[in-house]
Amino acid sequence: GAGVSQSPSNKVTEKGKDVELRCDPISGHTALYWYRQSLGQGLEFLIYFQGNSAPDKSGLPSDRFSAERTGGSVSTLTIQRTQQEDSAVYLCASRFSGLEQFFGPGTRLTVL
Amino acid sequence: GESVGLHLPTLSVQEGDNSIINCAYSNSASDYFIWYKQESGKGPQFIIDIRSNMDKRQGQRVTVLLNKTVKHLSLQIAATQPGDSAVYFCAEHGSGNTGKLIFGQGTTLQVKP
Repeated sequence: GAGVSQSPSNKVTEKGKDVELRCDPISGHTALYWYRQSLGQGLEFLIYFQGNSAPDKSGLPSDRFSAERTGGSVSTLTIQRTQQEDSAVYLCASRFSGLEQFFGPGTRLTVL
Repeated sequence: GESVGLHLPTLSVQEGDNSIINCAYSNSASDYFIWYKQESGKGPQFIIDIRSNMDKRQGQRVTVLLNKTVKHLSLQIAATQPGDSAVYFCAEHGSGNTGKLIFGQGTTLQVKP
């Protein structure tokens, strides 16, 4: 079946603009995660959705970052007033009942 | 705080040799560990996992070893191939049902032909 998909694959924006990144998890997966990966670095946890529970937002770096998950499926990560330090690859992952997370290909965000 | 770290940022091996990638973790209560492989421009892909009640688990050409005494995890790749060149991440899951993984910084594996 289809894996996790993310769009766009690449996004170039100007400093101060807002961006929206989309994640389509694997169908039926109840948990969804967003991570940020700066160049040559590991994965930085941002936010975690599990079913109908309140999301775990403990990793969001500032109030410019927000995410929502509509209908328990698609998720959108929004970054307002982008800064150059927001440039990174944003990865989405989903999982069902086990602990293994399935990752999408990521969105490479470049803020000029 | 909790952290997962890797001993070496880059590992270079000859094609056909065995590779060993190491990982140290700090949370002795972690109950699950996983290795991911990330090729350039792609998202991380699952390689192998192990639960804390095990010491060793084998897959196809890969073996994960867990030493809870010294909080150390390793990934062994047998007969390394050029296609194994990638960044490898270990991750741990703390105790309880958080569903969250804590990732290490990653080790780059370079396979020389």
